[in-house]
Amino acid sequence: AQSVTQLDSQVPVFEEAPVELRCNYSSSVSVYLFWYVQYPNQGLQLLLKYLSGSTLVKGINGFEAEFNKSQTSFHLRKPSVHISDTAEYFCAVSPYSSASKIIFGSGTRLSIRP
Amino acid sequence: GAGVSQSPSNKVTEKGKDVELRCDPISGHTALYWYRQRLGQGLEFLIYFQGNSAPDKSGLPSDRFSAERTGESVSTLTIQRTQQEDSAVYLCASSPLAGGADTQYFGPGTRLTVL
Repeated sequence: AQSVTQLDSQVPVFEEAPVELRCNYSSSVSVYLFWYVQYPNQGLQLLLKYLSGSTLVKGINGFEAEFNKSQTSFHLRKPSVHISDTAEYFCAVSPYSSASKIIFGSGTRLSIRP
Repeated sequence: GAGVSQSPSNKVTEKGKDVELRCDPISGHTALYWYRQRLGQGLEFLIYFQGNSAPDKSGLPSDRFSAERTGESVSTLTIQRTQQEDSAVYLCASSPLAGGADTQYFGPGTRLTVL
């Protein structure tokens, strides 16, 4: 079975400061890794995903994430945040063996202070 | 093009009533998923449809929950004899192909409140 842990339920940061949202996972099989974002009053949309190859993945809006297999982590980072980045961020994993079993974390609410 | 749409956007019902939630996936998308998101929690997988294959119902929490999909079109999620614990946002997503690597495209959700 797979599980995803997002260690911080809320992360407040000042505008233009860097941010890291943490994600750790547990799985007995290889997985694909995703970050989805949910802006206020909007549906979830894909931010980035790791399938294979380079462990550093770049996504939309200046976000990037690094897959660390030894630490089973997939932390999301942005060097300088904007007010428009205020949203809830979900880490997710999907095992290679199944199309249906995408497992989501509980989410991290990122709030940006001016 | 048009994204995934869901209706109604909000539904308030009394305990014990049946409700039906609708999802219109992106045209041509083979796979369709239903999730439940309780307040302050992550997304809980409910059911998955892939083309004409038998759906994966392993996430349905009880026999009060059922879902149907005709071909690669509209899906309906039905909750019978609703309970207060069913209150949540129900999200639908579709993807072009059935595969763990494929991006899922989400609808805006239906917020269900059971009084």
